[in-house]
Amino acid sequence: KAGVTQTPRYLIKTRGQQVTLSCSPISGHRSVSWYQQTPGQGLQFLFEYFSETQRNKGNFPGRFSGRQFSNSRSEMNVSTLELGDSALYLCASSFLGTATGELFFGEGSRLTVL
Amino acid sequence: TQLLEQSPQFLSIQEGENLTVYCNSSSVFSSLQWYRQEPGEGPVLLVTVVTGGEVKKLKRLTFQFGDARKDSSLHITAAQPGDTGLYLCAGAGGNTNAGKSTFGDGTTLTVKP
Repeated sequence: KAGVTQTPRYLIKTRGQQVTLSCSPISGHRSVSWYQQTPGQGLQFLFEYFSETQRNKGNFPGRFSGRQFSNSRSEMNVSTLELGDSALYLCASSFLGTATGELFFGEGSRLTVL
Repeated sequence: TQLLEQSPQFLSIQEGENLTVYCNSSSVFSSLQWYRQEPGEGPVLLVTVVTGGEVKKLKRLTFQFGDARKDSSLHITAAQPGDTGLYLCAGAGGNTNAGKSTFGDGTTLTVKP
């Protein structure tokens, strides 16, 4: 069974640009959640999508958005990048959703904003 | 906001030693997970505990869920260099968790050969 796939693994952007990250969940999983991981803040929940609907959202500004497609693949977008957006962005796949706890993470997309 | 506090934050030990990592909260969770994350990788699920007082063993790792389902511990016996990594606890299904998992800040473990 293939795991969670995130692309790209690494990317460098400059302030003001926008970025789109992609996540393909484990086959059969309908929930995809996104997390931002930084040394100072740990894992911070961004949002969860379940069957193409945003089911939950964390405390991030509107520059952070996401969507989920009918095949459960998900994308997240960050517009008007700031230096503080540099982080590891993790996607997690789950059969029942984040409320049940058992999450399967991808390897992450490492974003550096210069 | 539910917080999960992990201690210690950093731990550096010699191969063969035992260690315990703690995960504490003032809130009740329906379940609690432990993950291990290696540099450059995503967290990997190790175990889920659901019942208060539950103890689960995974080879040299022993996980315990507190009776009140507010805290948990991870004990590693005879640690090996391969145990090195960031250990994260996460609580799910709490009263104010708003349908998401809440993660602790993690314990960075280094096991020296």
